[in-house]
Amino acid sequence: GAGVSQSPSNKVTEKGKDVELRCDPISGHTALYWYRQSLGQGLEFLIYFQGNSAPDKSGLPSDRFSAERTGGSVSTLTIQRTQQEDSAVYLCASSTGTVGNTIYFGEGSWLTVV
Amino acid sequence: EDKVVQSPLSLVVHEGDTVTLNCSYEVTNFRSLLWYKQEKKAPTFLFMLTSSGIEKKSGRLSSILDKKELFSILNITATQTGDSAVYLCAVTSGTYKYIFGTGTRLKVLA
Repeated sequence: GAGVSQSPSNKVTEKGKDVELRCDPISGHTALYWYRQSLGQGLEFLIYFQGNSAPDKSGLPSDRFSAERTGGSVSTLTIQRTQQEDSAVYLCASSTGTVGNTIYFGEGSWLTVV
Repeated sequence: EDKVVQSPLSLVVHEGDTVTLNCSYEVTNFRSLLWYKQEKKAPTFLFMLTSSGIEKKSGRLSSILDKKELFSILNITATQTGDSAVYLCAVTSGTYKYIFGTGTRLKVLA
């Protein structure tokens, strides 16, 4: 696609429910990132995928968070048993995978846990 | 520990003013520094800087990098209300990780 596409744009869920957030990167981009941005905060790295390599999951805040990337393209971020502190904007970004190159962000998924 | 620090945290100016936003960093094996503008959700790319002393310019926005002193500035001249946003600075440290600062929130009053 022309840009990074994320869905849903907004999600309100009850505490304890599971949610799935989807990211479709720019066509041809091998690198895919998930970031989290809480209200008024900077971007917090969550996970990185590059091609067929094992992902870097070092930023995932707890074992309730997981992500996968199927076929080297679309990625899904799953949050199990959501908590109120999970409320944030979840931003996906992609790049060509060359170190130091620009990464391009999607519009984000705003998650509210009530 | 790699870190990126932006200042000021927030800034309020009037239309027509010139602003300078600062980004300092401490990273191992620096590769590039990027500036983004975030109005609602998605940060949009402004500049990528890799070499010291070479100014990047786009309209009223310009940016320059000082690799010796480990900082960059983003200048906006003749500010407009549409410039109101959070400006993010990010640095790559030779790996794939982009380390972001917390941003500078700019508000331009009419």
